Amino acid sequence: SAVISQKPSRDICQRGTSLTIQCQVDSQVTMMFWYRQQPGQSLTLIATANQGSEATYESGFVIDKFPISRPNLTFSTLTVSNMSPEDSSIYLCSVDTRAAEAFFGQGTRLTVV
Amino acid sequence: AQKVTQAQTEISVVEKEDVTLDCVYETRDTTYYLFWYKQPPSGELVFLIRRNSFDEQNEISGRYSWNFQKSTSSFNFTITASQVVDSAVYFCALSEEYGNKLVFGAGTILRVKS
Repeated sequence: SAVISQKPSRDICQRGTSLTIQCQVDSQVTMMFWYRQQPGQSLTLIATANQGSEATYESGFVIDKFPISRPNLTFSTLTVSNMSPEDSSIYLCSVDTRAAEAFFGQGTRLTVV
Repeated sequence: AQKVTQAQTEISVVEKEDVTLDCVYETRDTTYYLFWYKQPPSGELVFLIRRNSFDEQNEISGRYSWNFQKSTSSFNFTITASQVVDSAVYFCALSEEYGNKLVFGAGTILRVKS
């Protein structure tokens, strides 16, 4: 089973600032996914990050707001830019090992004040 | 387009009762993958099961069981003899491509009272 380390686990940020969330996997994976979970809501995919190419964003999410890096097959970052209180959510990194399950990091609980 | 519906927003049961969480899905693909996840108050997502569309066998794991019925596009989850530790939000999810992104249902909050 893949082990995913995501950090920070939580943060409180001022509006207008940016936060970069890191996701490290202990094995090489082709695709990494970033999801957002707003308070009391389900998970929504933000984007798919493939190594060596631009991330693919879902409808309603744009690169300027959520820039993603994928420098190698074990690491990715998601930046939440110019934050507002509406960005307060849990952000989760996920991978698929092509074996069985879709694994998730422990999540980053972001509060914007 | 793919869609997952969990019509039960919240369920409350008393410990030792059995409880079934419903999941109905929509997809145009003949090959797809269904998942159940548990999200306790701590927030992490705990994988429970994956089922392939070509494998309609029901599965039992301890107190957990899953009933997959392609004819009704349902993938229901039953907890037998529920315990307080089962209290969490449970998500059903669908992937139309092996190894690809998931579409989640709205989730069902399960409260088990002692």
